Amino acid sequence: DTAVSQTPKYLVTQMGNDKSIKCEQNLGHDTMYWYKQDSKKFLKIMFSYNNKELIINETVPNRFSPKSPDKAHLNLHINSLELGDSAVYFCASSPQLGGAGTEAFFGQGTRLTVV
Amino acid sequence: GDSVTQMEGPVTLSEEAFLTINCTYTATGYPSLFWYVQYPGEGLQLLLKATKADDKGSNKGFEATYRKETTSFHLEKGSVQVSDSAVYFCALNNNDMRFGAGTRLTVKP
Repeated sequence: DTAVSQTPKYLVTQMGNDKSIKCEQNLGHDTMYWYKQDSKKFLKIMFSYNNKELIINETVPNRFSPKSPDKAHLNLHINSLELGDSAVYFCASSPQLGGAGTEAFFGQGTRLTVV
Repeated sequence: GDSVTQMEGPVTLSEEAFLTINCTYTATGYPSLFWYVQYPGEGLQLLLKATKADDKGSNKGFEATYRKETTSFHLEKGSVQVSDSAVYFCALNNNDMRFGAGTRLTVKP
């Protein structure tokens, strides 16, 4: 069983479209994250949710909207896609927000290409 | 805010060479520190971690020591293999996970 799973793995779409990426974790964790990894491998936190509540919303365009229907799911919806949105998006989860040794578990990533 | 700075790559080594990837952090309080590894086409995997000052995390021949006095968590391995070629990320957790920029390591036979 995959602990953190994202779908789709690859997404190619045209500028201006709206798309969603889904994430599910079966680890029973309270906290989930979305990260964006650019072509230089830089990993930037976008959002974090704890028990379905938004905790962090970094400087991300409001075209990006996370939705957490329950603790096990954190979906990412992107409106009006732009070329600069092309990246790999990673979902991750952790047992709780902080606490000694609390590690994050990552999904396999979704490679988004906007053409 | 909290942040992680790690040495820029890429790093290219010959097999059996000694590896050091530097990592320093800025944070309030006492964060937990991590090294993650990303193999091509995959997500990040935890390599090792340390939760308090002077702790040493180790795994697969890699090790890193939590140095509070120098706010550092440098990654070392005594003898790298071709299979260690990957991108390595230093990270901290101080109520959320923050990552360094990543260092690409290539090990040549």
